[in-house]
Amino acid sequence: DGGITQSPKYLFRKEGQNVTLSCEQNLNHDAMYWYRQDPGQGLRLIYYSQIVNDFQKGDIAEGYSVSREKKESFPLTVTSAQKNPTAFYLCASKRDLTEAFFGQGTRLTVV
Amino acid sequence: DQQVKQNSPSLSVQEGRISILNCDYTNSMFDYFLWYKKYPAEGPTFLISISSIKDKNEDGRFTVFLNKSAKHLSLHIVPSQPGDSAVYFCAASGGPGDDKIIFGKGTRLHILP
Repeated sequence: DGGITQSPKYLFRKEGQNVTLSCEQNLNHDAMYWYRQDPGQGLRLIYYSQIVNDFQKGDIAEGYSVSREKKESFPLTVTSAQKNPTAFYLCASKRDLTEAFFGQGTRLTVV
Repeated sequence: DQQVKQNSPSLSVQEGRISILNCDYTNSMFDYFLWYKKYPAEGPTFLISISSIKDKNEDGRFTVFLNKSAKHLSLHIVPSQPGDSAVYFCAASGGPGDDKIIFGKGTRLHILP
């Protein structure tokens, strides 16, 4: 079945550690996105990529990094520079002129 | 600065009645608008969209209205059903060549029995 897979579903990180969230899609979509959801904040855009080997910062990119080496994959690294990393992270992808499809999310907790 | 605003954090509607969720935007370059439904701990699911060249789009119980001059759109759900209880997000995109999608903060809809 085609879709977007985020892994893991739950992730725990110690303070000061980097952690990478996985996002894979087999929909042959060009564009991919990372959003963060906090209570009462809606979905805030972290990074997005419109094509392989290219990506742009969203509204809250500080403390995060991404790569887009393959069309199917858009991993997000939460670095130790991110002050409040505990959140629900959502990955999405889309073709041009269509809606974005979302994965099921990864809940990251800093312990 | 919020480019997409949903000013009502929550809304309660009697089952069978019409639910109207509102959204305002500030960027006149947006030309594609979307509504998503979200349950806790899940990814949002797409409901309906509208291009800026239209003022209405209908899909079953869901209708989206766009007022470009007022930079306002609304989602109408009729009749409202218990399964419609969820958080609804409005989103906007700049259209072809601009894939950035900006979301509002969401409105929690409660359908009352």
